[in-house]
Amino acid sequence: EAQVTQNPRYLITVTGKKLTVTCSQNMNHEYMSWYRQDPGLGLRQIYYSMNVEVTDKGDVPEGYKVSRKEKRNFPLILESPSPNQTSLYFCASSLRYRVSNQPQHFGDGTRLSIL
Amino acid sequence: AQKITQTQPGMFVQEKEAVTLDCTYDTSDQSYGLFWYKQPSSGEMIFLIYQGSYDEQNATEGRYSLNFQKARKSANLVISASQLGDSAMYFCAMRGYSGAGSYQLTFGKGTKLSVIP
Repeated sequence: EAQVTQNPRYLITVTGKKLTVTCSQNMNHEYMSWYRQDPGLGLRQIYYSMNVEVTDKGDVPEGYKVSRKEKRNFPLILESPSPNQTSLYFCASSLRYRVSNQPQHFGDGTRLSIL
Repeated sequence: AQKITQTQPGMFVQEKEAVTLDCTYDTSDQSYGLFWYKQPSSGEMIFLIYQGSYDEQNATEGRYSLNFQKARKSANLVISASQLGDSAMYFCAMRGYSGAGSYQLTFGKGTKLSVIP
């Protein structure tokens, strides 16, 4: 089954404790991205990747890191999480980055709470 | 820069009636794509419908249709014959060129639709 898999689905942690949210897709997609969703703000893009070893900042990259060492995986890293990073996070992928008509396939989301 | 505006934070519709969810966008690009996603209370994002900037006909997918008015920069979602399962958050999004050969997806803030029995 074609899918984008995020883990964990839920996480409660404390300020300053490094964490990684994993994202994996099995569709051989070139383009992957991370979003955060906050009430009243919709989804905002954190980082995106156009292919292996190619990443770039989205609209709200501060406090996050990403890497794309393999085509299928695109982990989101919070080196020193803070309470303002409490949010619902989505990973998404699409087949090609150059084509505007490609819908993004979303993972089921990761609900992150930083105390 | 791209911008998506959804002016209706919440809407109610009677079951079996049609409803229109508004979306306006702003871009200087000539080539772009417009998308609608549904987010039920369970949280997942479900792709509904797509409209390309060069498409001359309005997109339709089952009970969903997109009323695309390019000159007015609007891309309203029409849901016909509403069902209780349509109660969800709906997001309008636009994919346009963001530089370096990449297309970025920009979302509106969403409209919460509630279908009344």
